[in-house]
Amino acid sequence: TQLLEQSPQFLSIQEGENLTVYCNSSSVFSSLQWYRQEPGEGPVLLVTVVTGGEVKKLKRLTFQFGDARKDSSLHITAAQPGDTGLYLCALKRGATNKLIFGTGTLLAVQP
Amino acid sequence: DTEVTQTPKHLVMGMTNKKSLKCEQHMGHRAMYWYKQKAKKPPELMFVYSYEKLSINESVPSRFSPECPNSSLLNLHLHALQPEDSALYLCASSHLFVGEGAGYTFGSGTRLTVV
Repeated sequence: TQLLEQSPQFLSIQEGENLTVYCNSSSVFSSLQWYRQEPGEGPVLLVTVVTGGEVKKLKRLTFQFGDARKDSSLHITAAQPGDTGLYLCALKRGATNKLIFGTGTLLAVQP
Repeated sequence: DTEVTQTPKHLVMGMTNKKSLKCEQHMGHRAMYWYKQKAKKPPELMFVYSYEKLSINESVPSRFSPECPNSSLLNLHLHALQPEDSALYLCASSHLFVGEGAGYTFGSGTRLTVV
């Protein structure tokens, strides 16, 4: 059983469209991170959400942490080909520094 | 320097070969990690080093042998691998006591093919 389930698994859209990626769990988290991994590269941290109900914006990306801190979403406005990549939510487990990733959403933005 | 450098970028090895993957960082991070990633899947944690000591082994087969010679270097020694071990191997580092907002810095990975 995966701790963090992401949906959708795959998404192919046209440039200029909007999209939302979801990260869900049955557990409560103290914080959640979102990473983007471009082809041929390692994951890069986009944002960390900490407070239930928190909304953070990074240019055209909007991240939200659920009120109950069991889910999170990433919304991209007017997607561009440069947004193509694997989007991963992740959490750190306890004091062990284990970073565990969600199941991932592979996004392809066609020009 | 805010990078994690991994070498080589690509590696093809036979099932009887011995090879090593290398990882280096100069950010003063005292926690370092190895992850394995299959195509279109999320990275899976293999090993965690804290203060140059192995703190977590996620039940990885003994044909993978990690080593942390000093606070800047992390190696992964490979021996008698199987074709199913072909994957992208990612190294990462972080501060040991990571605050909620702090992230992990990943290298670009080594693309390993076992033939």
